[in-house]
Amino acid sequence: AQSVSQHNHHVILSEAASLELGCNYSYGGTVNLFWYVQYPGQHLQLLLKYFSGDPLVKGIKGFEAEFIKSKFSFNLRKPSVQWSDTAEYFCAVNFGNEKLTFGTGTRLTIIP
Amino acid sequence: EPEVTQTPSHQVTQMGQEVILRCVPISNHLYFYWYRQILGQKVEFLVSFYNNEISEKSEIFDDQFSVERPDGSNFTLKIRSTKLEDSAMYFCASTGQGATNEKLFFGSGTQLSVL
Repeated sequence: AQSVSQHNHHVILSEAASLELGCNYSYGGTVNLFWYVQYPGQHLQLLLKYFSGDPLVKGIKGFEAEFIKSKFSFNLRKPSVQWSDTAEYFCAVNFGNEKLTFGTGTRLTIIP
Repeated sequence: EPEVTQTPSHQVTQMGQEVILRCVPISNHLYFYWYRQILGQKVEFLVSFYNNEISEKSEIFDDQFSVERPDGSNFTLKIRSTKLEDSAMYFCASTGQGATNEKLFFGSGTQLSVL
């Protein structure tokens, strides 16, 4: 079955620490990959996406993600987090149909 | 950036009542979606809508749910007889070329509370 896994449920970091959030999916075919962010009280916003080409994609606010096809992974990274990065982060995958399948989300708390 | 708008932001209803959640997708978009997020759980796909018909729906989207595009701008989700377990945040989304081709634009959500 097609599924998306985010193994980190809650991550707590200090400001300036480096961040890596894991995302894995199960499916052998072509996928489109997304990271969405939900700041407290706000709607889902796209951070970055991968459709094809360079597997290292850069998004807004200094975030990047790397698609590793052999590992079925699309991990989100940021070299130095800020307090304003506190939010819920969702990995989402399109498996070639008309819907996105979301992971369970990772709550990121940044301590000033 | 253009926005998807949803009304109301919070809806409280009694179990068994009908509710209609409203969405105004981005004006030139053709594909429309409803997702929901039960508190503490993942965002789940409910239904996609294109060319005035449902193109895909999940097992959650049973006979109690329906969608409609009553005019050129609104996209509604109706729940005929609400249950306690329908309490969730409901997100509308739209896109111009379909979910396989581009990102979804999400609205800010309607928090539905069924008492």
